[in-house]
Amino acid sequence: AQKVTQAQTEISVVEKEDVTLDCVYETRDTTYYLFWYKQPPSGELVFLIRRNSFDEQNEISGRYSWNFQKSTSSFNFTITASQVVDSAVYFCALSPNDMNYGGATNKLIFGTGTLLAIQP
Amino acid sequence: DTGVSQDPRHKITKRGQNVTFRCDPISEHNRLYWYRQTLGQGPEFLTYFQNEAQLEKSRLLSDRFSAERPKGSFSTLEIQRTEQGDSAMYLCASSPRRGTDTQYFGPGTRLTVL
Repeated sequence: AQKVTQAQTEISVVEKEDVTLDCVYETRDTTYYLFWYKQPPSGELVFLIRRNSFDEQNEISGRYSWNFQKSTSSFNFTITASQVVDSAVYFCALSPNDMNYGGATNKLIFGTGTLLAIQP
Repeated sequence: DTGVSQDPRHKITKRGQNVTFRCDPISEHNRLYWYRQTLGQGPEFLTYFQNEAQLEKSRLLSDRFSAERPKGSFSTLEIQRTEQGDSAMYLCASSPRRGTDTQYFGPGTRLTVL
């Protein structure tokens, strides 16, 4: 079975604090992709990052960083020095291997999301 | 590039009516996806197209749902005989080319069935 678990339903922190959003996934595929999307109050899903299963290097983009660990099937997301504009629902997603096109992906399997509220 | 667009943004209908939503993908994106999102949940996959071919349909897509992408550009999602349980946000996404793996989402169509 393919599944994504985001155990943290809601997190509230004060501005400038660091916060980590957890994501645990399940898949039997050896090739897959992992994603994070942000959904602000406006509702549109905004792509943040994509990671393939063969690349376990951590990634940093400004205040955002991602920690991918295959050994624990986790793909956690950290926001450093949080800002009010970071308030949103964050979704982790898994895309299994697409047997139709030799490794391309098709559907995204989303977790239930984490509502992050940054208090001023 | 303009983003993925969806029309309408909001739709209120009475139970039993038919509704149709439209999605225009990013230009030259040949994969197009439909998802449904209910309150407090993550989006759930419904179906996807590679050009005009519908390659996968979820079990969530009952017989009352049909999706088309006749010329490999825009797509429509029709729900016949709507039920209150169909109330949700319907999201469309597209991806650039065969073999790539990042989906870009539109703003969604929020359906309310009374």
